[in-house]
Amino acid sequence: EAGVTQFPSHSVIEKGQTVTLRCDPISGHDNLYWYRRVMGKEIKFLLHFVKESKQDESGMPNNRFLAERTGGTYSTLKVQPAELEDSGVYFCASSPDGPGAFFGQGTRLTVV
Amino acid sequence: AQSVTQPDIHITVSEGASLELRCNYSYGATPYLFWYVQSPGQGLQLLLKYFSGDTLVQGIKGFEAEFKRSQSSFNLRKPSVHWSDAAEYFCARRNAGNMLTFGGGTRLMVKP
Repeated sequence: EAGVTQFPSHSVIEKGQTVTLRCDPISGHDNLYWYRRVMGKEIKFLLHFVKESKQDESGMPNNRFLAERTGGTYSTLKVQPAELEDSGVYFCASSPDGPGAFFGQGTRLTVV
Repeated sequence: AQSVTQPDIHITVSEGASLELRCNYSYGATPYLFWYVQSPGQGLQLLLKYFSGDTLVQGIKGFEAEFKRSQSSFNLRKPSVHWSDAAEYFCARRNAGNMLTFGGGTRLMVKP
């Protein structure tokens, strides 16, 4: 069984550009979570989907971040326009119930 | 707010020695607690979790953790460390909002 897959594994973009991160959860997992770890800080919650609905987006830093999960399968996280402080590692997790037990390998985003 | 503290940012142990990584959580109802490991270039892998019942929890890779309510702790232990255990370890708790709050992580180095 495939695990949680994230694309790309690394992304380097210039300040002001747009980047879209993708997460493919484990098939059948209704719960999908996004987390972020900026340099030297804790891993922080961004948002939680149950199927295609946003259950909790209290961790989204500002309106430059937009997450979608069309059809309740894969999810995208778009940052537009990217700022330097958006650099970090973005993790996706999925689970059939409760907080994510299965994490992807993360996308390392560098904004220069 | 519910929080998790990992007092040790770095720990170095010799291969074959015992290991204990500390984790303290802020007071609340019986917490759901987790330990994750992130090896270089990998995602977060769940080592073990505690929800209720026996306070000594066995996990994968020979790890165990003990929940101590009186000390608000959930320390991770391993009797004999292997070089492949070198990684970063994260303690986490489930919040009321059904997401995870993570500690800052402890980076483990293993000396030959």
